[in-house]
Amino acid sequence: GAGVSQSPRYKVAKRGQDVALRCDPISGHVSLFWYQQALGQGPEFLTYFQNEAQLDKSGLPSDRFFAERPEGSVSTLKIQRTQQEDSAVYLCASSSQGEAPGYTFGSGTRLTVV
Amino acid sequence: GESVGLHLPTLSVQEGDNSIINCAYSNSASDYFIWYKQESGKGPQFIIDIRSNMDKRQGQRVTVLLNKTVKHLSLQIAATQPGDSAVYFCAEKITGGGNKLTFGTGTQLKVEL
Repeated sequence: GAGVSQSPRYKVAKRGQDVALRCDPISGHVSLFWYQQALGQGPEFLTYFQNEAQLDKSGLPSDRFFAERPEGSVSTLKIQRTQQEDSAVYLCASSSQGEAPGYTFGSGTRLTVV
Repeated sequence: GESVGLHLPTLSVQEGDNSIINCAYSNSASDYFIWYKQESGKGPQFIIDIRSNMDKRQGQRVTVLLNKTVKHLSLQIAATQPGDSAVYFCAEKITGGGNKLTFGTGTQLKVEL
């Protein structure tokens, strides 16, 4: 596609439920990033992939958060046993190179935990 | 910890005026800075970037100024238009910190007709 595609656009989960958020990066982009954006705040880094390798997961807030990119293309961010503080917009970005300049963000998935 | 922050949470300007959005950063090891525009319901959109070895960079209607002495970054938008209304974020990349960006909290720009 022409841009980074994320699905679903909106997700409402009951507390304790597991969720999976999908990111389709721009075709050919080797770098993929996940960010979390709380209401009224700037995005905060969660994790980074280069192809299928997860090179940095220092931003994942707890072991309930898990990300994968098994074939170096589509990525899934999974949150287990969701809690209310997980409510946020989850943004995915991809880049054709290792450096930040090529970042293209998707529109995000808005997760609401009730 | 060290972070990127913004001075003004909301900025209102008249259509046609110039806008200046400011950002302070605290990490002297930052080597790259980006300004993003984010409209409601959308992801951040790249506007302009600047490396730490530069003081100024110009794009179409936008200029970024970097003052490393006082760790200050600004975004100037010329002839502001209604379509410029959005939240603007500055972000920094820290040398040796990998490819992740650290974002500020954002400034809401409102363009009045």
